[in-house]
Amino acid sequence: NAGVTQTPKFRVLKTGQSMTLLCAQDMNHEYMYWYRQDPGMGLRLIHYSVGEGTTAKGEVPDGYNVSRLKKQNFLLGLESAAPSQTSVYFCASSPQDRDGYTFGSGTRLTVV
Amino acid sequence: SQQGEEDPQALSIQEGENATMNCSYKTSINNLQWYRQNSGRGLVHLILIRSNEREKHSGRLRVTLDTSKKSSSLLITASRAADTASYFCATATDSWGKLQFGAGTQVVVTP
Repeated sequence: NAGVTQTPKFRVLKTGQSMTLLCAQDMNHEYMYWYRQDPGMGLRLIHYSVGEGTTAKGEVPDGYNVSRLKKQNFLLGLESAAPSQTSVYFCASSPQDRDGYTFGSGTRLTVV
Repeated sequence: SQQGEEDPQALSIQEGENATMNCSYKTSINNLQWYRQNSGRGLVHLILIRSNEREKHSGRLRVTLDTSKKSSSLLITASRAADTASYFCATATDSWGKLQFGAGTQVVVTP
């Protein structure tokens, strides 16, 4: 029972580079989310998905894109990384809206 | 702007003592949830309390909700060193079901 798996766990990018963070869940959850966590600011929602083929913007979507081609996977892309995107990124999933979330272990991204 | 804010920001107690932290929020909610995060790890869901509930228990955890004051509290009884973590409250409103998190309370339990 893996739950929510995020890859990679760590990454260092140079400004302007692109990358994709992968989130996979094996619980058949409909909803998936990407959050970023910065010191003293809690978690902020970047994008979310309410089902396969759907995506929507959260609180801080600028500079990120997402895709959910398969129900179990939710990808977060950075097209042109900026130092302000240095953060810890968490993926989460839930069976329905307003349910408790299951989180992945996070991806620590540093943009230099 | 954050929906929920935890108080205190940090709490240091000894094993066996109780730990209490509070969460205040701004707009009406559908439910409020508490999560734990151990250092360098993901968040773990602890408990969910709905807007029509006033108190809920789960093992050594007790959560209260006062919708008139827009506040909630999390009590950890008989704390253990393993309870050392950051604790976050998160709210889901009727109009926005996605969770909004506070900045967290850092709890240190010393043996």
